[in-house]
Amino acid sequence: KNEVEQSPQNLTAQEGEFITINCSYSVGISALHWLQQHPGGGIVSLFMLSSGKKKHGRLIATINIQEKHSSLHITASHPRDSAVYICAVLLNEKLTFGTGTRLTIIP
Amino acid sequence: GAVVSQHPSRVICKSGTSVKIECRSLDFQATTMFWYRQFPKKSLMLMATSNEGSKATYEQGVEKDKFLINHASLTLSTLTVTSAHPEDSSFYICSAIHLRNTEAFFGQGTRLTVV
Repeated sequence: KNEVEQSPQNLTAQEGEFITINCSYSVGISALHWLQQHPGGGIVSLFMLSSGKKKHGRLIATINIQEKHSSLHITASHPRDSAVYICAVLLNEKLTFGTGTRLTIIP
Repeated sequence: GAVVSQHPSRVICKSGTSVKIECRSLDFQATTMFWYRQFPKKSLMLMATSNEGSKATYEQGVEKDKFLINHASLTLSTLTVTSAHPEDSSFYICSAIHLRNTEAFFGQGTRLTVV
């Protein structure tokens, strides 16, 4: 069983829709990262969370340490948001990755 | 923000040759860098942890003699794929953790094709 589970694996939505991607993990962690990977392969770090909530533009990330759960939200989704979103937990300076959520936003 | 630069972004090599991939932290010192491998539509898989000034720590199943890692300075780690085979074709990506705030930064990745 993967220590980091993401859902859904694939998500297709219309432009403008509100998007939620979920991440659950099974171990105690020091931080959780949300990453974005575009088709070319490059990875961008969106958020690093250890508690509470962070917001950057149309992106919002929340984490509940007690429930070992985090969510990534995208408001007013746009086709350029289409990418793979990856949740990764940091433990002892190592990252363990979820399998990713492939998001496709249709114009 | 902090940047990790990886080079080359794409390389094609012949079977039996060696390929070196560089990973540089451009504006922060990284005592530890990580090397990952990713197969199409799969998760990133940690290959090894590169430690400045000491030997790399390899994950189970990763051949240390095949994937040579050198972390010669606080800003540079290199991964050399030796005697490359077609099955080594993959996407390789490095990352570094900024020690001050534990934020992770990733290189652009290297797509290796062995023919």
